[in-house]
Parts: sequence; structure tokens; C-alpha cells
Amino acid sequence: AQSVTQLGSHVSVSEGALVLLRCNYSSSVPPYLFWYVQYPNQGLQLLLKYTSAATLVKGINDFEAEFKKSETSFHLTKPSAHMSDAAEYFCAVRPKTSYDKVIFGPGTSLSVIP
Amino acid sequence: DAGVTQSPTHLIKTRGQQVTLRCSPKSGHDTVSWYQQALGQGPQFIFQYYEEEERQRGNFPDRFSGHQFPNYSSELNVNALLLGDSALYLCASSLEGFLGSGANVLTFGAGSRLTVL
Repeated sequence: AQSVTQLGSHVSVSEGALVLLRCNYSSSVPPYLFWYVQYPNQGLQLLLKYTSAATLVKGINDFEAEFKKSETSFHLTKPSAHMSDAAEYFCAVRPKTSYDKVIFGPGTSLSVIP
Repeated sequence: DAGVTQSPTHLIKTRGQQVTLRCSPKSGHDTVSWYQQALGQGPQFIFQYYEEEERQRGNFPDRFSGHQFPNYSSELNVNALLLGDSALYLCASSLEGFLGSGANVLTFGAGSRLTVL
């Protein structure tokens, strides 16, 4: 069965600093991978997705993530944090071959310190 | 173009009662998935509906049931509410087709926050 782990339930960075949010997946076959963001009292919005094309994926608002098969990781980064980046971030996986469900990680809460 | 809309946004029920939550998918989408998100946790998959049939189900008891209508809108019903059912219920739609594709992106609504007292 597939699963997702996110190291660090809470991450704090200073405004302008690098953002790094970690995601590792467990799957016998590399799945599709996604990062979603959730702002308070809102639903989830897609930041980016990996679909086996380029291993470095660029998303909205200067976020990007790199798929590393050998490490079963899909970490999310942003070069310079902005106050508006404060939110909950979820990594998610889904099998490539069917309509199977999307499985979400437990989430990482990002705080940005002015 | 309207995205996914859910109603009601907030509701309060007491233990043992029943609740119905509603979802209208994004225009052009044919599949609706429901997720439960407890406070401080990631969304947990409840079930997915395609062509008015439940196609996938997560580890939720039979108290949780759903329906999809011909216009692709959907309802989530929860019977015999427990305190532990208090959560944000998220509806997500996607265009899957018969075979589906893992690359398809879910579009989420803002959720219905259920409080059980």
C-alpha cells in the first residue's frame, strides 16, 4: 500500500529565507506526486505535480520540487519565503495506472517570521 | 467558471443525528471524491463516485454513504453521528473517465465544517 510521510509537522522560516518541506513516499512503483497548499478556512490548491517527465517540477509562486527515485523523495522548495506563504502544505501520491485514490500526507504547517 | 462548491459551510449536530453534505463539481468534471480532514491532520479518503456509482472506498464505516446525481453533483451522508466525526469534509472533483489517470488533478471545494456535540 502506498503511503506518504512529511518530516516536520511545523516549519518556521524567516521572510526571504529558503523554504524546504520534506516528503517521502512508499510505493513499489513510482507514483504520481503532488503538493497542495491549504490556507486557513479554505480547501486545497495544487502547487505542482510530478508525472514522470522532468524530475524537477516548477509550480506556482516560485515553488518547485525534485523527484528523487533513489531516495523516494519529493521535497518542496522555494528560494525566498514571503509572508503570504504561511499555510499548511500537503504532499500526496496517486498510482499511475488507474483511477485509484489520492493519498495525502499529514501536512506541514509553515510559519514565516517577519 | 465556478469551481467546486460545497454546502453548507458550517453546521452543528448532536450525537446520533444524521447529516447530508452537498457538492457541485467543477464544470466539465465527471468524478467526485470525498475526504475527511480532522483538525491538524491530512485529508483522509472516504469514497469516490463516477457515473453515479461508488468506485473506490476508504476505511470508513457504512455510516458514511454517498450519492452522485446525473448532473455529477454529489451528497455525503453520515448516520448516527459520533463526536469523532467532527471534521472538515472536503469534496474534490476531477475528470477521470472510465479508466481514469493518476495524473489527473483534484480540484477541491472549501469544505463543510461539521461539529458534533
